[in-house]
Amino acid sequence: NAGVTQTPKFQVLKTGQSMTLQCAQDMNHNSMYWYRQDPGMGLRLIYYSASEGTTDKGEVPNGYNVSRLNKREFSLRLESAAPSQTSVYFCASSWTHGSNQPQHFGDGTRLSIL
Amino acid sequence: ILNVEQSPQSLHVQEGDSTNFTCSFPSSNFYALHWYRWETAKSPEALFVMTLNGDEKKKGRISATLNTKEGYSYLYIKGSQPEDSATYLCALHNNNDMRFGAGTRLTVKP
Repeated sequence: NAGVTQTPKFQVLKTGQSMTLQCAQDMNHNSMYWYRQDPGMGLRLIYYSASEGTTDKGEVPNGYNVSRLNKREFSLRLESAAPSQTSVYFCASSWTHGSNQPQHFGDGTRLSIL
Repeated sequence: ILNVEQSPQSLHVQEGDSTNFTCSFPSSNFYALHWYRWETAKSPEALFVMTLNGDEKKKGRISATLNTKEGYSYLYIKGSQPEDSATYLCALHNNNDMRFGAGTRLTVKP
């Protein structure tokens, strides 16, 4: 019963390098999300995909791109990593994008950019 | 702007104490308020989703209330146990966006 699986769990990059974070869910959920979590701050939404084939910007989309590869998978790409993107990244999914739908989270990817 | 504030930032209680903390949010254009429990080294887990003014939800010793007119929700834990130690997050869902508070970190001492 995997739920939401994120890879990798840890990554260290140099400034300017590119990286794709992978996320997959096995709950047949329609909606998927990417968040970042920084010390002293709440989870902040980067991008979301309300359904397969759609993606929308969240609160902090600059410097990121996403791809909803299929219903199961939603990837987050950093084209040219910057130190300000050092963070813990969480992927989540929900049955639909409705406001009454709880989200199910992965275990996170800890990303450090030097 | 959806500012979600949680207080206190952290809380230390003794085993057996009851406790509560607050989530404040803009009362206009309300859709839903979520509570999550986040244990160290794990991922956040959904506790409650609340949509109606006056909603009360309960799961074991944990309960929550919602006041959408004044823009706050309370989370209560009755008879705290060490396993309740976690960060409790609230989040406001406005139908396009989910905004999280910074959380209340609860430590329950045996």
